[in-house]
Amino acid sequence: GAVVSQHPSWVICKSGTSVKIECRSLDFQATTMFWYRQFPKQSLMLMATSNEGSKATYEQGVEKDKFLINHASLTLSTLTVTSAHPEDSSFYICSARDSSRTDYGYTFGSGTRLTVV
Amino acid sequence: GENVEQHPSTLSVQEGDSAVIKCTYSDSASNYFPWYKQELGKRPQLIIDIRSNVGEKKDQRIAVTLNKTAKHFSLHITETQPEDSAVYFCAASNGEGTYKYIFGTGTRLKVLA
Repeated sequence: GAVVSQHPSWVICKSGTSVKIECRSLDFQATTMFWYRQFPKQSLMLMATSNEGSKATYEQGVEKDKFLINHASLTLSTLTVTSAHPEDSSFYICSARDSSRTDYGYTFGSGTRLTVV
Repeated sequence: GENVEQHPSTLSVQEGDSAVIKCTYSDSASNYFPWYKQELGKRPQLIIDIRSNVGEKKDQRIAVTLNKTAKHFSLHITETQPEDSAVYFCAASNGEGTYKYIFGTGTRLKVLA
């Protein structure tokens, strides 16, 4: 159980275009999902908390107009990188927790490697 | 907010030896501390976790200890094997509200055969 699917696994886009990344909880409901960004050989930096049915909560320094998050259902959160630039190239990864569980464990998606050319 | 420091950044051990990775946290309200293993290009996988009401937890060759007073916790891997080679991340969460994790900077463990 507790499987999180992330799509696409990799994407190459041109500067100025937008890219949407999907994070789905396959066998559980997740009222909260998290989006992280990871640069090569670095840690996971929390970008934002995605809340089902309400606005996302962004971490300090993360542009909410640049990284649009939508959590329209209990099993799907999307991250859209708008007007992408080469510096947005990174590994983006989501995580989710089964809302019915009493422990705190989160499951990660498989990640999306974004390359902006 | 919470800040998690992790040491060392790299660690090389001989196969069969033990490896220890240490983390410190700043927020005394943190009460949940997971450890994740991430292999190159893959998602982080939870390997062990500990709550603040417990001082030590063990699962086969892996153990985690927590010192709430000093606000630090450690990962211990015994009888290391080449397949233990990966990047290990600690994290802290206060379990309140959104349960968000703040990760440490990671430790690249290399087990030499």
